[in-house]
Amino acid sequence: DTGVSQNPRHKITKRGQNVTFRCDPISEHNRLYWYRQTLGQGPEFLTYFQNEAQLEKSRLLSDRFSAERPKGSFSTLEIQRTEQGDSAMYLCASSLARPVLSYEQYFGPGTRLTVT
Amino acid sequence: GDSVTQMEGPVTLSEEAFLTINCTYTATGYPSLFWYVQYPGEGLQLLLKATKADDKGSNKGFEATYRKETTSFHLEKGSVQVSDSAVYFCALSDQGSGSARQLTFGSGTQLTVLP
Repeated sequence: DTGVSQNPRHKITKRGQNVTFRCDPISEHNRLYWYRQTLGQGPEFLTYFQNEAQLEKSRLLSDRFSAERPKGSFSTLEIQRTEQGDSAMYLCASSLARPVLSYEQYFGPGTRLTVT
Repeated sequence: GDSVTQMEGPVTLSEEAFLTINCTYTATGYPSLFWYVQYPGEGLQLLLKATKADDKGSNKGFEATYRKETTSFHLEKGSVQVSDSAVYFCALSDQGSGSARQLTFGSGTQLTVLP
């Protein structure tokens, strides 16, 4: 079990450019989450997948954001036409759909995005 | 909607002092409650959890008791160490939020322990 991994760890981009982040969850986990964390705040939910299906999206996820999990394994989060307000840490988490485990989520190290 | 309110930081303590970080919540259903810890330069780690009223979660000397009557889940440790310096987040996962069971986090409390 190698844990949740995210790439890249840091991304600096100019306003208006598109960026894509990747998340590899723990291998047997069928649930995958994306969160955004700004400085001094707790993470905020963006979207959730069960296997390859995207089942829920937060109102925070504007139409410039899109997420995929094509084969129910890794996931990508793309931001189009980045804005300075998109600067944040983007966190990925995974879990098993087992009530007995309280749907515990395990987090990756995050991708820090800076939009200049 | 669901929300979590945490004691504001930063909190600075001397080694071996007693720690309490207050956390209260609002939820529509019967949430599970969690404490996560974020050490400098690292990702969020699950510290402990409780899934129903009066449950006590514990790990690494930290404890928290799920109090439904006061909607609280305060984190405590009897004797902190320098290595406990980190940001602590209280969070809930509510079945009322639907199938996603996403986490709702507090704003975090920065703890610094001095030798």
